Amino acid sequence: GAVVSQHPSRVICKSGTSVKIECRSLDFQATTMFWYRQFPKKSLMLMATSNEGSKATYEQGVEKDKFLINHASLTLSTLTVTSAHPEDSSFYICSARTGMQNIQYFGAGTRLSVL
Amino acid sequence: KQEVTQIPAALSVPEGENLVLNCSFTDSAIYNLQWFRQDPGKGLTSLLLIQSSQREQTSGRLNASLDKSSGRSTLYIAASQPGDSATYLCAVRVKTSYDKVIFGPGTSLSVIP
Repeated sequence: GAVVSQHPSRVICKSGTSVKIECRSLDFQATTMFWYRQFPKKSLMLMATSNEGSKATYEQGVEKDKFLINHASLTLSTLTVTSAHPEDSSFYICSARTGMQNIQYFGAGTRLSVL
Repeated sequence: KQEVTQIPAALSVPEGENLVLNCSFTDSAIYNLQWFRQDPGKGLTSLLLIQSSQREQTSGRLNASLDKSSGRSTLYIAASQPGDSATYLCAVRVKTSYDKVIFGPGTSLSVIP
């Protein structure tokens, strides 16, 4: 099946720094990618939807200047957490979908810890 | 607005028991429903995906059903094993302009040896 690679799997950073998370579709072209966030003991919440070559669409309550999303190619989307703070510590997961398929493929997730 | 709920929130069973996890969604306009497994601190593992035109899917000891008209899905796990202990999430892909996937809150399963 299709594979979505997410990197890094875990990152620890100091407060105030920026962190970039990559999401790659390894064997298919992803016209649409999604970014989710999971709070402790909660389910996954959609943060934003990105389409290749266009600006991301953010869900209500998600700060677009805080969480920068770039979908520059059909196989790569990045999420940058800018000026990270401890409250940004969370589990972030991406998923990717082709224009033709009816399935989203999920990455393994990135655990961000901000000290 | 689509809402997905899961019952129970937590479940503890002895090894060997058959069990059923429930998922409900409020809007039947979906493309598909998917069941995932998440181990503590880990990512998602896709278990079964049911297209909106299908009634059920089976994989090994797992069977998932879908009743779109009533907004319900069940995940049946036969002969549970300690290795089945995890959080099980259901998610529906909704028919919106961006085809979002909405997750339920999950059921935390513990299978006791």
